[in-house]
Amino acid sequence: GENVEQHPSTLSVQEGDSAVIKCTYSDSASNYFPWYKQELGKGPQLIIDIRSNVGEKKDQRIAVTLNKTAKHFSLHITETQPEDSAVYFCAAILNTGNQFYFGTGTSLTVIP
Amino acid sequence: DAGVIQSPRHEVTEMGQEVTLRCKPISGHDYLFWYRQTMMRGLELLIYFNNNVPIDDSGMPEDRFSAKMPNASFSTLKIQPSEPRDSAVYFCASSLGRGEQFFGPGTRLTVL
Repeated sequence: GENVEQHPSTLSVQEGDSAVIKCTYSDSASNYFPWYKQELGKGPQLIIDIRSNVGEKKDQRIAVTLNKTAKHFSLHITETQPEDSAVYFCAAILNTGNQFYFGTGTSLTVIP
Repeated sequence: DAGVIQSPRHEVTEMGQEVTLRCKPISGHDYLFWYRQTMMRGLELLIYFNNNVPIDDSGMPEDRFSAKMPNASFSTLKIQPSEPRDSAVYFCASSLGRGEQFFGPGTRLTVL
């Protein structure tokens, strides 16, 4: 199966600064890479995703980049705000199935 | 749509008791997933169904765990007998095809 590693496990940034979370995957057959945000006491929610035929995708302050050769993808949050504080999970899906392989999560704290 | 519905939201039980967690997926979704989340192991996929049929149950910890999906709008995860190490947050998620998974709010299980 797939193995997804995520770094860092915790991240603190000042409000207004940027935050970057990185993930690597092992199986070149993975072709879909979603990012989920989990707020305290809630289930994870999709915030952005990218497919293997695209190198970068943006949605307002959030962007994801994918390097298929190196098998890594990253989440970039610019102009961070306190409400960005949450746990973020990356995931990878093989093109042969529908199982999400999740990273171990990054706890992001945005300091006002 | 109300989203994925899980019940109960919290469950406290004693070791050895049977626990049943319930999930109602989003109407029209054909995939249903059960996850377990702990600090130590993160988000673990336990089992997933496609069109009410179990596809992959390799994540089910042991025979004490069982899951059913009698129809497209209902699934259960049962633990019998429960043990303290089963304490975790259990999430149900559903998706339409190989796309975004929508998570429920979770059931926080405490086994004393």
